Amino acid sequence: AQTVTQSQPEMSVQEAETVTLSCTYDTSESNYYLFWYKQPPSRQMILVIRQEAYKQQNATENRFSVNFQKAAKSFSLKISDSQLGDTAMYFCAFMPSADSWGKFQFGAGTQVVVTP
Amino acid sequence: GAGVSQSPRYKVAKRGQDVALRCDPISGHVSLFWYQQALGQGPEFLTYFQNEAQLDKSGLPSDRFFAERPEGSVSTLKIQRTQQEDSAVYLCASSPRDPTYSNQPQHFGDGTRLSIL
Repeated sequence: AQTVTQSQPEMSVQEAETVTLSCTYDTSESNYYLFWYKQPPSRQMILVIRQEAYKQQNATENRFSVNFQKAAKSFSLKISDSQLGDTAMYFCAFMPSADSWGKFQFGAGTQVVVTP
Repeated sequence: GAGVSQSPRYKVAKRGQDVALRCDPISGHVSLFWYQQALGQGPEFLTYFQNEAQLDKSGLPSDRFFAERPEGSVSTLKIQRTQQEDSAVYLCASSPRDPTYSNQPQHFGDGTRLSIL
């Protein structure tokens, strides 16, 4: 079984600053996918960024980037130039392989609060 | 509609009642997923459909939970004889035929918040 751990219940950051969210996971799989999802108060889960385990290059999407350390089983998310609209719950998610697409294992989440 | 639609948005029921939660996926999406999200927790997988076939129901917590998708589009999650621990947000998501190369591989609805009194 896989487990996903997010050790930071809440993070606060000022507008335009940078914040890093941590995520560790445990698996015996060699090929898998990792995701960060954002959940605003509207409750809709929105994909922020994804990483395929076989890719060594860290994924980036505009102001969002990851630091994927496969050996350490770590997958942190960096939000640069934080904006008020980034305020939300952020969930790290693990998926074993493309054959089980959608069967995510989510962490408990980190609440990000961006202050003016 | 443009997105995944779930109804009702809120549902309050007394312990022991049966409830039915509806999910309208994006038109043409083959795969449909149900998740349960307890307060302060991440979503947990319940079940998965490909068209009308329920391929994985390993996450359903008990035999009181039942899901169907008879025509391969709309899905209903039914909970019989509800208990207080069933209180949660129930999220539905749908995916296109080949989600691996999509920018948004899984589209989520806004969820139904179920409260059992």
